[in-house]
Amino acid sequence: GAGVSQSPSNKVTEKGKDVELRCDPISGHTALYWYRQSLGQGLEFLIYFQGNSAPDKSGLPSDRFSAERTGGSVSTLTIQRTQQEDSAVYLCASSQNMLRGETQYFGPGTRLLVL
Amino acid sequence: DAKTTQPTSMDCAEGRAANLPCNHSTISGNEYVYWYRQIHSQGPQYIIHGLKNNETNEMASLIITEDRKSSTLILPHATLRDTAVYYCIVRAYMEYGNKLVFGAGTILRVKS
Repeated sequence: GAGVSQSPSNKVTEKGKDVELRCDPISGHTALYWYRQSLGQGLEFLIYFQGNSAPDKSGLPSDRFSAERTGGSVSTLTIQRTQQEDSAVYLCASSQNMLRGETQYFGPGTRLLVL
Repeated sequence: DAKTTQPTSMDCAEGRAANLPCNHSTISGNEYVYWYRQIHSQGPQYIIHGLKNNETNEMASLIITEDRKSSTLILPHATLRDTAVYYCIVRAYMEYGNKLVFGAGTILRVKS
């Protein structure tokens, strides 16, 4: 079946501009995560959505970052007034509770470059 | 989550089995062993996970020692496309909102 998809695959923007990154999770997956990965670095958790519960925003690095998930499916990560340090690969993952443990499946990522 | 220790890098000949070890001596009873990999410029890819029994799927086999303090991921017939960074993670059982944390992982180089 279809995996997690993300768009755009690449985004180049100028410092100070706003960007929106989109994630389409696997159909039926109730949990959705956003991470980012800077060059050569590990995963940095940003935000987590689970069903209709309030999202866990504890990983968002500043108030310039926000995310929403409409209808329990598609999610959009918005970065306002982008800075050069926001350049990274933004990864989305979704999961579904299973009897044998929760497994997160990742999308291909959006490569963001802020000039 | 329990800490894991993996070798920094390994080489494997194409067509041979790749055996990637992982130590997780502080694993607790409610933690699974998960393996992911990340091929250059791609998102992480789930491979396999297990609790205490050995597991096998279309990608790999996972061998967990009886005391659960270590495990081995086996790619039975490695190909050049298996060159990637392999991450061993231990995570609490059936817990939502449990952020994935990758360590340094093992760089596996499959050579022809």
